[in-house]
Amino acid sequence: AQSVTQPDIHITVSEGASLELRCNYSYGATPYLFWYVQSPGQGLQLLLKYFSGDTLVQGIKGFEAEFKRSQSSFNLRKPSVHWSDAAEYFCAVGGKNTGNQFYFGTGTSLTVIP
Amino acid sequence: DAGITQSPRHKVTETGTPVTLRCHQTENHRYMYWYRQDPGHGLRLIHYSYGVKDTDKGEVSDGYSVSRSKTEDFLLTLESATSSQTSVYFCAISVGGPNTEAFFGQGTRLTVV
Repeated sequence: AQSVTQPDIHITVSEGASLELRCNYSYGATPYLFWYVQSPGQGLQLLLKYFSGDTLVQGIKGFEAEFKRSQSSFNLRKPSVHWSDAAEYFCAVGGKNTGNQFYFGTGTSLTVIP
Repeated sequence: DAGITQSPRHKVTETGTPVTLRCHQTENHRYMYWYRQDPGHGLRLIHYSYGVKDTDKGEVSDGYSVSRSKTEDFLLTLESATSSQTSVYFCAISVGGPNTEAFFGQGTRLTVV
């Protein structure tokens, strides 16, 4: 069965520090992978996606993620965090083998301290 | 935002009453989804649709039904609301085919008292 694990429920970083949010997935084939961000009271906004090709993908707001098949991971990174990045981040997997649905992780809440 | 509108945005209802949430899209995308979001659970799929009158169940479909009589509208109905259905409900559309890229509405916060 497909599943997504985000092992960190909550992360706190200082403004200007680097960030890495972890995501591991279970999937029987090459997945479609996504990172979404949710600000309080808002819907989810797509940060970036991976379908195939280059395993390092660039997204909006200075985020990037790297697909590592051997580790079944798709970690999100940002070199320098801004206070406005404080939000909830969700990793998701989709694809032809997911029965027409996306599977989401439980989310990582990011706090940014001045 | 891919032209997705959810209504209402907030609703308080009593246990046992039926409730219908509406998702409207302006771009004629084929695939539409209803999710609920609860702390510690992320987003869980309730129902989805792959065309007019074509719907299927998701992971947490018990107590919910859906209808899609027009491409642009996907309705979620709680037949008899229970307190366990207090949640934030999100509608999403998939652009470019199933599970390729989802865009979400702003959500509906439903409280069942």
